[in-house]
Amino acid sequence: AQSVAQPEDQVNVAEGNPLTVKCTYSVSGNPYLFWYVQYPNRGLQFLLKYITGDNLVKGSYGFEAEFNKSQTSFHLKKPSALVSDSALYFCAVRAYSGAGSYQLTFGKGTKLSVIP
Amino acid sequence: DAGVIQSPRHEVTEMGQEVTLRCKPISGHDYLFWYRQTMMRGLELLIYFNNNVPIDDSGMPEDRFSAKMPNASFSTLKIQPSEPRDSAVYFCASNGTPNTGELFFGEGSRLTVL
Repeated sequence: AQSVAQPEDQVNVAEGNPLTVKCTYSVSGNPYLFWYVQYPNRGLQFLLKYITGDNLVKGSYGFEAEFNKSQTSFHLKKPSALVSDSALYFCAVRAYSGAGSYQLTFGKGTKLSVIP
Repeated sequence: DAGVIQSPRHEVTEMGQEVTLRCKPISGHDYLFWYRQTMMRGLELLIYFNNNVPIDDSGMPEDRFSAKMPNASFSTLKIQPSEPRDSAVYFCASNGTPNTGELFFGEGSRLTVL
């Protein structure tokens, strides 16, 4: 069965510093990997995805993620954090669920706090 | 497009009452998902539909929960009878074909069962 681990419940970073939110995964076959962001009292918003190709994926709001197959990781990064980046971040993996269909499995989420 | 629309945004009810949550997916999307979010368990997939047909309901906690999708533009999640442990935020999400995993989420329905 597929699974996603986000080892940090919370990440604190100073504004202007680089940020990393970690994610590791377990899935059969080639992974489809995703990052979503959730602001308070809002639904999840898609940030970026990796399906194939370049291991460095660029997404919305200046975020990027690096796919590392040997380490089964897909860490989210941003060169310079903004206070407005403070939110809950979810890593997800798509896996085959039978009958030609797929579903996403989400990690527990990591709360990012950017300190002014 | 208005995005995925959920109602009500907030619901407070008493234990034993019936609760119905509603969702309107993005027009043209043929996958619809219901998720539940709690602090303890995170995001859980309850059920999903493809072309109005339930594909996987293995995440539905028990028989008190039921979901329907009578047409392409409307789905309901019903809890009867409700219990305090059902208190959570319930999200609806939709996606088109092919299902690449890029889901569009509604704003959620926050349910509190007293």
